[in-house]
Amino acid sequence: AQKITQTQPGMFVQEKEAVTLDCTYDTSDQSYGLFWYKQPSSGEMIFLIYQGSYDEQNATEGRYSLNFQKARKSANLVISASQLGDSAMYFCAMREDRRWGDGSEKLVFGKGTKLTVNP
Amino acid sequence: NAGVTQTPKFQVLKTGQSMTLQCAQDMNHEYMSWYRQDPGMGLRLIHYSVGAGITDQGEVPNGYNVSRSTTEDFPLRLLSAAPSQTSVYFCASSYSVRRVAEAFFGQGTRLTVV
Repeated sequence: AQKITQTQPGMFVQEKEAVTLDCTYDTSDQSYGLFWYKQPSSGEMIFLIYQGSYDEQNATEGRYSLNFQKARKSANLVISASQLGDSAMYFCAMREDRRWGDGSEKLVFGKGTKLTVNP
Repeated sequence: NAGVTQTPKFQVLKTGQSMTLQCAQDMNHEYMSWYRQDPGMGLRLIHYSVGAGITDQGEVPNGYNVSRSTTEDFPLRLLSAAPSQTSVYFCASSYSVRRVAEAFFGQGTRLTVV
């Protein structure tokens, strides 16, 4: 079963408007972490925001906020006041805190959403 | 500048050739990993390491070898390149295997196998 689902292959938004990128996840663990990364056309992966499964408040980082609904297993990224520079691929990822045999953690990524900000 | 450095940025190989993708980090991170990114597939874990001398397989390890002789370096070796290995490869590192931490990614290596 797919662990991370991003159902929107592409999204369009007008500059200065807010946009929500969807992410749902599947895990049986109680302890896990959710991440969002941005990948501009230049190719590098840029960490945006993190939400722990036990965090009571939704995470916020500047114009980015994470709408975390634990019961629905969703972790949507909200970008407020979109800018042209926000045009990029956005990836949702999950780290399960269940320990593997060597005590490590691993990130599982969704397939991404391509966001285009129109002037 | 501190961070994760990958070399080369671009590479073209012929089928059957071998090569090593280099990854180095100067943040004294314990955990390092290699991902490949294919169109429409997101990132998939190839191999990872929880510390010097310790490596293990991820989701798609076939055709790749890794070693971790130092904390700083985590090279990825393609033993006999195949067209199916055409992809963008990312190296990532994290502070610790046991702490909440975001992963720092390198700039990526775009590999084409012809």
